[in-house]
Amino acid sequence: QSALTQPRSVSGSPGQSVTISCTGTSSDVGGYYYVSWYQQHPGKVPKLTIYDVSKRPSGVPDRFSGSKSGNTASLTISGLQAEDEADYFCWSYAGGYSYVFGTGTKVTVL
Amino acid sequence: EVQLLESGGGLVQPGGTLRLSCEVSGLSFSHYSMTWVRQAPGQALECVSSISGSGHSTYYADSVKGRFTISRDNSKSALYLEMKSLRADDTAMYYCAKWSTAIDYWGQGALVTVSS
Repeated sequence: QSALTQPRSVSGSPGQSVTISCTGTSSDVGGYYYVSWYQQHPGKVPKLTIYDVSKRPSGVPDRFSGSKSGNTASLTISGLQAEDEADYFCWSYAGGYSYVFGTGTKVTVL
Repeated sequence: EVQLLESGGGLVQPGGTLRLSCEVSGLSFSHYSMTWVRQAPGQALECVSSISGSGHSTYYADSVKGRFTISRDNSKSALYLEMKSLRADDTAMYYCAKWSTAIDYWGQGALVTVSS
């Protein structure tokens, strides 16, 4: 499985919106509605932020939203806050007992 | 509360063997697929291996196929990863995790360093 493609970095000022793309193939992102996103602060364990393309786990602020079109999924952070500065990884089910992560995106709050 | 606790990490020489363990509590362990995820320093997350709830089905990343073996003991709510012929590029933090349509629970990680 090849890693899903994400931009290396995105940035925005507090209060702005940023969107991170995650591009795969019809064998992963395009083939299933099982795309999730993970937030990881330095030295910390990844945290589930979005699952099943657009669902938010309990406790995740509603400024985080997800979507998918074809082979590309997206994570949007609206009303960017300082604590949102972190690395973000997408994840897609890929059939059987396999899955694949994205290459990771560093979000910087200016 | 769901908890996953890895153990067995450490420093090993190239070509050596290491066995990671993960003790799971707070859920019906045998009902869920489990997985090992690794992250080399400053790098992306990578699926290493996955196993079904029964243990009968497994998956391995190409980079570890033939060298790593995943297993589980449902009577002990434990997950294992036997790693042989270790290489420098296997150096990473190894996370035990529960997954279904997403990875929803993670352990704190076990650091594996392969170096002479």
